[in-house]
Amino acid sequence: AQSVTQPDIHITVSEGASLELRCNYSYGATPYLFWYVQSPGQGLQLLLKYFSGDTLVQGIKGFEAEFKRSQSSFNLRKPSVHWSDAAEYFCAVEGTYKYIFGTGTRLKVLA
Amino acid sequence: DADVTQTPRNRITKTGKRIMLECSQTKGHDRMYWYRQDPGLGLRLIYYSFDVKDINKGEISDGYSVSRQAQAKFSLSLESAIPNQTALYFCATSDPSSAHLETQYFGPGTRLLVL
Repeated sequence: AQSVTQPDIHITVSEGASLELRCNYSYGATPYLFWYVQSPGQGLQLLLKYFSGDTLVQGIKGFEAEFKRSQSSFNLRKPSVHWSDAAEYFCAVEGTYKYIFGTGTRLKVLA
Repeated sequence: DADVTQTPRNRITKTGKRIMLECSQTKGHDRMYWYRQDPGLGLRLIYYSFDVKDINKGEISDGYSVSRQAQAKFSLSLESAIPNQTALYFCATSDPSSAHLETQYFGPGTRLLVL
């Protein structure tokens, strides 16, 4: 069955520290993968997406993600977190005619 | 102006009442979606529509109905609201590329409380 798992419900990091949010997927073919961010009181905004090609993809706001087929993972990273990055992050995979979202990881940033 | 708008943004209603949530988009996309978001459960698909004449159930369609009035408008109805339909509801659109789905664009959400 197609699914997305985000193992970390909450993550807390200090401002300026590096960040990695985990995402594992289950999909029979080559997956199309997305990371979205939801700021408080806002809708979801696309950070980046992977369709094919280079397995390291760059997104907006300084985020990047790496597709690792052998590990069925698509982890999101940022070298230095800013206080404004505090939000909820969702990983998603394109399923059959629809998207499958993970349950989200809520990021807290300490000053 | 926002590309995907939702009205109302917040709504409080009582059990048994009928309520409609509306979504409009100016992106010209054919595909539209309704999701609900609950804490710890992420986003779950309620209904989706690939064009005006195409309506499909998602994973949690029970208790909901939809209407695609035009390419730009996709409404979600709760015929008889119940408390466990209290949630944050999102509308989204997408413009497919080749055989695969493209990026989804989300509205700001409607926060619904059913008493």
